[in-house]
Amino acid sequence: DAGITQSPRHKVTETGTPVTLRCHQTENHRYMYWYRQDPGHGLRLIHYSYGVKDTDKGEVSDGYSVSRSKTEDFLLTLESATSSQTSVYFCAISGGGDRSSYEQYFGPGTRLTVT
Amino acid sequence: SQQGEEDPQALSIQEGENATMNCSYKTSINNLQWYRQNSGRGLVHLILIRSNEREKHSGRLRVTLDTSKKSSSLLITASRAADTASYFCATGESGGYQKVTFGTGTKLQVIP
Repeated sequence: DAGITQSPRHKVTETGTPVTLRCHQTENHRYMYWYRQDPGHGLRLIHYSYGVKDTDKGEVSDGYSVSRSKTEDFLLTLESATSSQTSVYFCAISGGGDRSSYEQYFGPGTRLTVT
Repeated sequence: SQQGEEDPQALSIQEGENATMNCSYKTSINNLQWYRQNSGRGLVHLILIRSNEREKHSGRLRVTLDTSKKSSSLLITASRAADTASYFCATGESGGYQKVTFGTGTKLQVIP
């Protein structure tokens, strides 16, 4: 299946510190996404990318920024972490091969705790 | 934003029984997908049904789509303990980036 990794897998950080999460794919998929998953909310889109240096906001983008300088890497940065950003973060990719570009393939997730 | 609403939120059945989960959504869609998530893992794509399709099968999975009622159902036949997971519907809208919006999920427990 899709080769997609996330790093780190777990992180504990203090309020006010910047944090960067990395998503790396080996599948040459065009689209990349960052979601957060919280109990009772399902998955909510933070930011997405439709190509190198092409990104846009999702529904919960406040406090987050992203960058995509290479096809394979999509970085999510929390500029100044807050306790409300404690969550599990998932990266996903789509738009590769002969599969529908709507089908998304997910990384293993990063559990972030902000104390 | 549009979001699929799954029903029930939780479901517990015996191994061998069938499990049915439902999803309702609010506006026009290009397609509807179902994903599975095992505890502590990422989501896994199960099946996609397009808006002009009414039913689709994949192994023990059967998905129906009724665009007039804006609803879909996922049937898992002859359930196994390994089917224990959360199941999410996701609606795909036409647009510049193939937007997909996830529901809040149904937690399925299959008791051996």
